[in-house]
Amino acid sequence: QVQLQESGPGLVKPSQTLSLTCTVSGGSIYSGSYYWTWIRQPAGKGLECIGRIYTSGSTYYNPSLKSRVTISVDTSKNQLSLTLNSVTAADTAVYYCARGEWFFDCWGQGTLVTVSS
Amino acid sequence: DITMTQSPSSLSASVGDRLTITCRASQSINSYLNWYQQKPGKAPKLLIYAASSLQSGVPSRFSGSGSGTDFTLTISSVQPEDFATYCCQQGYITPYTFGQGTKLEIK
Repeated sequence: QVQLQESGPGLVKPSQTLSLTCTVSGGSIYSGSYYWTWIRQPAGKGLECIGRIYTSGSTYYNPSLKSRVTISVDTSKNQLSLTLNSVTAADTAVYYCARGEWFFDCWGQGTLVTVSS
Repeated sequence: DITMTQSPSSLSASVGDRLTITCRASQSINSYLNWYQQKPGKAPKLLIYAASSLQSGVPSRFSGSGSGTDFTLTISSVQPEDFATYCCQQGYITPYTFGQGTKLEIK
């Protein structure tokens, strides 16, 4: 059974870069035709799709974040990563990685990232 | 972006109650509607995909219906473990968007 686990710094300073990793276990990140998606949730608010990557390497980013976000895959480590540049307090949220394109059947536990000086 | 509006935003129920949560899309999304359950401090859990398909392992007391712009999630007999927040998500037009959630509380 596939499991996902996010990791990364819990505190990032304003204007700096947020970098998170999602480790996939229980299966290869390239097995099957899967999309892998990053989703975030500010405290007390709804979920927001950040972007996704397909096993071919093709990516899609939410236009609201596109200028600041990069999603990539490291096949040697069975990981996907998220980088978000020029962060502000509005980027404070729990960040999830999830499997799926238009519905998400497997999620990581989430990691809280706080943007503060 | 497509706006997903859920109602009610919260509701109280007793164990054994039948209840329905509604989700409305700001434009037609065919049947590309999914439902999730989220408990405090936990990741969302997929319950229903494609409006009415029950995800593997999800109890049959959960059901979904609808198409176009109006959708419902029904719990036929609420159990203690069902008290959580439920949210809908459209997967028809990018960026895929979520509703704000419906919090189910114990009466």
